[in-house]
Amino acid sequence: EVHLVQSGAELKKPGESLKISCKTSGYIFTIYWIAWVRQMPGKGLEWMGSFYPGDSDTTYSPSFQGQVTISADKSVTTAYLQWSSLKASDTAKYYCARHSEVLGNAFDIWGQGTMVTVSS
Amino acid sequence: AIQMTQSPSSLSASVGDRVTITCRASQGIRNDLGWYQQKPGKAPNLLIYAASTLQSGVPSRFSGSGSGTDFTLTISSLQPEDFATYYCLQDYDYPYTFGQGTKLEI
Repeated sequence: EVHLVQSGAELKKPGESLKISCKTSGYIFTIYWIAWVRQMPGKGLEWMGSFYPGDSDTTYSPSFQGQVTISADKSVTTAYLQWSSLKASDTAKYYCARHSEVLGNAFDIWGQGTMVTVSS
Repeated sequence: AIQMTQSPSSLSASVGDRVTITCRASQGIRNDLGWYQQKPGKAPNLLIYAASTLQSGVPSRFSGSGSGTDFTLTISSLQPEDFATYYCLQDYDYPYTFGQGTKLEI
């Protein structure tokens, strides 16, 4: 069975760095994209970017380009989303999701989400 | 970027009702559209992909239609567990973009 399991909730201060994870299992990691999606409190879904572990191809939304870094470690089939300097406006729940052309790039499996709170 | 305009933003309905949610793309996206259901505090769940293909395990009361710029999600007979927020997502071109969401309430 396919699973995406995300790391736990984080409470950080403005200016701190953070790396959250999305551990995958049950499928061939290198042939599916992993997307990251932000949901600010009480708001809708925003696609942040996607990463292809097969060749490390990465695409970012212009809204998030330069603000976050998406990466992965094939040896542990895990994807990451990281910030070098958090802001209060980064407070949100972040989801990872798998997608591929097999389902027309639809996001068929999602992680449970990681809540990130940035507050002084 | 392709803009996805979803309507209505909220909808009141009753068990047994037929409901329709629409998404309009700012340019043609072929049939590269998915519909997602999200319940409070939970991750979204894929219902429909490629505009009209029902994802495995999703009840047949859900259906999708459309191509090009106009798309529809229909729930033929609302069940209590269908009260949730629904989003469309265009996966035709980067940056992928979601609709604003439709909150379906009793």
